[in-house]
Amino acid sequence: KAGVTQTPRYLIKTRGQQVTLSCSPISGHRSVSWYQQTPGQGLQFLFEYFSETQRNKGNFPGRFSGRQFSNSRSEMNVSTLELGDSALYLCASSRAEVGGGEQFFGPGTRLTVL
Amino acid sequence: DAKTTQPPSMDCAEGRAANLPCNHSTISGNEYVYWYRQIHSQGPQYIIHGLKNNETNEMASLIITEDRKSSTLILPHATLRDTAVYYCIVRGETGANNLFFGTGTRLTVIP
Repeated sequence: KAGVTQTPRYLIKTRGQQVTLSCSPISGHRSVSWYQQTPGQGLQFLFEYFSETQRNKGNFPGRFSGRQFSNSRSEMNVSTLELGDSALYLCASSRAEVGGGEQFFGPGTRLTVL
Repeated sequence: DAKTTQPPSMDCAEGRAANLPCNHSTISGNEYVYWYRQIHSQGPQYIIHGLKNNETNEMASLIITEDRKSSTLILPHATLRDTAVYYCIVRGETGANNLFFGTGTRLTVIP
């Protein structure tokens, strides 16, 4: 079956702009998590959605937001982009409602902020 | 979730077994040990997980010590494609669906 897909794969924006990234989970998976990966901070958890509700949120400013649709697809938005937002943004989906099981990661969206 | 400690880097000769250690001395009774790996610029890939018994799948084996304070991921016959960063993660089964990644171990398989 198809894996987790993320669009777009690459994106270039300038400071002050906003951006929306999309993630389609594996069919049947209702949990979607987002992560940011930078060389300096490594892989950091952003937020997790389950059945259209945000269940958990990492330590990121309010400029980072997300949502999940009834078909489990998810989007994340970053407003007022800063140079430090340049990163690989990863989405992961899971069948499990809580805590357990394998998470399947997408290929990521590489965002460059100029 | 308990914190884990891994060596920053390791080398392994192609065809030999790669043994990647992980310390998780503060693990609690209901927490599992998970291993993921990330090949350069790709999304992390699940490898294996276990609670207290040793586990084996088509990719690797996981050996957990009796006191559960440490574990070892074994890649029985490392290939060049196994060059990646390997993350050991401890998490409970009733908590949130997010993973806390440490710095991992960068494994380089040498021809």
